[in-house]
Amino acid sequence: SQQGEEDPQALSIQEGENATMNCSYKTSINNLQWYRQNSGRGLVHLILIRSNEREKHSGRLRVTLDTSKKSSSLLITASRAADTASYFCATDLNAGGTSYGKLTFGQGTILTVHP
Amino acid sequence: DAGITQSPRYKITETGRQVTLMCHQTWSHSYMFWYRQDLGHGLRLIYYSAAADITDKGEVPDGYVVSRSKTENFPLTLESATRSQTSVYFCASTGQLRQPQHFGDGTRLSIL
Repeated sequence: SQQGEEDPQALSIQEGENATMNCSYKTSINNLQWYRQNSGRGLVHLILIRSNEREKHSGRLRVTLDTSKKSSSLLITASRAADTASYFCATDLNAGGTSYGKLTFGQGTILTVHP
Repeated sequence: DAGITQSPRYKITETGRQVTLMCHQTWSHSYMFWYRQDLGHGLRLIYYSAAADITDKGEVPDGYVVSRSKTENFPLTLESATRSQTSVYFCASTGQLRQPQHFGDGTRLSIL
């Protein structure tokens, strides 16, 4: 079963609008990471938020983490057509043994930003 | 240029054939990973390696073999390809666990 589940599966907005994507997970995490994937390319890391952090910013990106609800959100402000991509959350479980440091990815949100 | 490169980018083969996907990174990262990406499943970990000559299974290892004789290379071999292994394969690396991973651009593999 997927550790991370993104919502919505697809999001279509106009340039200049904000885009919010959500990620829910099931078990305790060490950190949660957001990645972006352009069509036909590999994933690119955006932000890492640790379990003891509640919010992080990077440029137009804002990530929040609510460990009590086991959820995270990625907000892209003032979106641009170039933000069109798939966005994935990945959880790094708070576990030892064979799970240590491995990422579990959700299925992603496809974001389309119309010019 | 520094980075992580995968080859080939595209491959078509037949069931029963052996095929090897290559991954090369120039950062001397200790940790390397192989994922497959399928619609409806996101990315799933096939194998990972913590260092040269140290490899271990991920979530979906059946039908795959890996080796890591040199830090910079992490080839993935499908010993006898099946149609269910049609997928996009991504290699990734990181210098430390619990840090972001760096991904190659993938190999799109079709098995007829």
